Amino acid sequence: QVQLQESGPGLVKPSDTLSLTCNVSDTSITYYHWGWIRQAPGKGLEWIAYFHHGGVTKFNPSLKSRVTISLDTSRSQFSVRLSSLTAADTAVYYCVRLSGSSTWTHPFFDYWGQGVLVTVSS
Amino acid sequence: DIVLTQSPGTLSLSPGETATVSCRASQSISGGYVAWYNQRPGQSPRLLIYGASRRAIGIPDRFSGSGSETDFTLTISRLEPEDFAVYYCQQYDISVTFGGGTKVEIK
Repeated sequence: QVQLQESGPGLVKPSDTLSLTCNVSDTSITYYHWGWIRQAPGKGLEWIAYFHHGGVTKFNPSLKSRVTISLDTSRSQFSVRLSSLTAADTAVYYCVRLSGSSTWTHPFFDYWGQGVLVTVSS
Repeated sequence: DIVLTQSPGTLSLSPGETATVSCRASQSISGGYVAWYNQRPGQSPRLLIYGASRRAIGIPDRFSGSGSETDFTLTISRLEPEDFAVYYCQQYDISVTFGGGTKVEIK
């Protein structure tokens, strides 16, 4: 069974940079595409970025200037960094797999991690 | 961006009844590039439908999707206790956007 597991700090300070990692198991990280989605408390879903295992990344334009994505195939994990944090970045962050049925230009998401709650507060 | 508006915001139904959730797009979505997810309290979203009407692996046939262009519908027949959750539509024709969600609650 495909498993995605996020890890990272639960509390970060305003203006700091958040770094989250997703560990992938029971599937090939080099065969699929991957991404990050977040959900503010009591709110809906917002995509952050998704990327091709070959290195191409698509970003949500509203977050693009603050987001960095990296992939470590040797460890079967990928990461996201979000800079210049504010309280508005408080959310549950999910790592996701783009479905094998989708294409790079038309992505939907078939596996989700359990999510990690990140609170931005001083 | 394509804005997705879901209705109703909340649907109060009893087990065994049928739920109908609407997702309306601000512009036409080509190729039926609409997916549906549900999210139970404290859990991650789960893919139900993609391509507007194709059930994801392991999804029971009481879940069905339909629609085209700007109007899409998720129908859940014979509601089971585990179906009471929040439902989201997503378009993946132009970039990615999600609807605001519809809560299906027990009446």
